[in-house]
Amino acid sequence: DGGITQSPKYLFRKEGQNVTLSCEQNLNHDAMYWYRQDPGQGLRLIYYSQIVNDFQKGDIAEGYSVSREKKESFPLTVTSAQKNPTAFYLCASNYDRAYGYTFGSGTRLTVV
Amino acid sequence: QKEVEQNSGPLSVPEGAIASLNCTYSDRGSQSFFWYRQYSGKSPELIMSIYSNGDKEDGRFTAQLNKASQYVSLLIRDSQPSDSATYLCAVNILPGGTSYGKLTFGQGTILTVHP
Repeated sequence: DGGITQSPKYLFRKEGQNVTLSCEQNLNHDAMYWYRQDPGQGLRLIYYSQIVNDFQKGDIAEGYSVSREKKESFPLTVTSAQKNPTAFYLCASNYDRAYGYTFGSGTRLTVV
Repeated sequence: QKEVEQNSGPLSVPEGAIASLNCTYSDRGSQSFFWYRQYSGKSPELIMSIYSNGDKEDGRFTAQLNKASQYVSLLIRDSQPSDSATYLCAVNILPGGTSYGKLTFGQGTILTVHP
């Protein structure tokens, strides 16, 4: 079945650590996105990529980094520079601007 | 002004009633509009999309778009307890030179349908 796989489902980070969230899709979509959701809030865009080896900052990119070496994969690294990383992270993909995004099941990151 | 703003909730309706969810957006160049449903602890799922002025119906759901007023709404008829969720309005804003644009989301409206 086609879809987006995010892993892990739950992730715990110690202060000062970098952690990487995985996002893999087998939908053959060109565009991929990372969003962050805080409790009771909407989704805020972190980074997006429309083609391999290219990506753009979203509205809240500080403290995050991404790579897009393969069409299928768009990992997100939460660096130690992100001071408040506890949130629900959602990866999405898209093949045409006229259509809505397909979302993965999300990764819940908690700082311990 | 926020780019996408939804009516403040939470919204509570009795089973069988019509639930009305509203959303306004600031960018007149927006072309695609979406409603997502998100159950607690889950990822959003797309329930409606609309691109031109007027109404679009799909089962118990009706999306309404008025580009002149920069307004999009979602009506849920015959509301069921299983409709209880957070509803997110999303607008596709196309930065110059991009093909896919990016979705900007409202803050969401919590809907509770009580028996």
